[in-house]
Amino acid sequence: QVQLQESGPGLVKPSETLSLTCPISGYSFSSAYYWGWIRQPPGKGLEWIGSIIPSGSTYYNPYLRSRVTILFDTSRNQFSLQLSSVTAADTAVYYCARAISGTYSSFDLWGQGTMVTVSS
Amino acid sequence: QSVLTQPPSASGTPGQRVTISCSGSNSNIGINTVSWYRQLPGTAPKLLIYSNNQRPSGVPDRFSGSKSGTSASLAISGLQSEDEADYYCSAWDDTLGGVLFGGGTKLTVL
Repeated sequence: QVQLQESGPGLVKPSETLSLTCPISGYSFSSAYYWGWIRQPPGKGLEWIGSIIPSGSTYYNPYLRSRVTILFDTSRNQFSLQLSSVTAADTAVYYCARAISGTYSSFDLWGQGTMVTVSS
Repeated sequence: QSVLTQPPSASGTPGQRVTISCSGSNSNIGINTVSWYRQLPGTAPKLLIYSNNQRPSGVPDRFSGSKSGTSASLAISGLQSEDEADYYCSAWDDTLGGVLFGGGTKLTVL
């Protein structure tokens, strides 16, 4: 059974870099699926952060592009998110997710989410 | 940021059929497929519909999706109390070069 589980610190200081990983269990990362990060500020809606496809190509939310990096780590069968220069506005639940093959917006498998708070 | 517009709220009684709309534009819904998600409080979203009207395995046929022009709809028939949740639409936007989510619709089962 394929599972995703976000991992990383729950508290990040302003101006620092938020780093999360998403190990994939039960499935090989080198597949036709696309993989993405989505976040949800407290009490608000979903916001797509970016996606990575098996070729390594990445697609980022243009409003976050200057601060976001999404990478594969095939040796560890995981992908990661780095968001630099964080502010309180980046406080949110962060989800990693898998998108149905060939689609970018149909996420059929989600991690449980991890709350990240930006505060000094 | 969201340019996929959903009504903030909807409601229905048990057994009723309700629809939730998602309005976009020619750069997103007009030329790309729509997905729908349900999110129960404190949990991750669950995919209900993809490619406008396809249900993933395990999603009951009470849920159906449709698209016409630059708008899409999610219909829920035989409304149940456990359908009380937030619902989101999503689509790729060619102008943005990324995925858009609607603002979400909170469905209340009266």
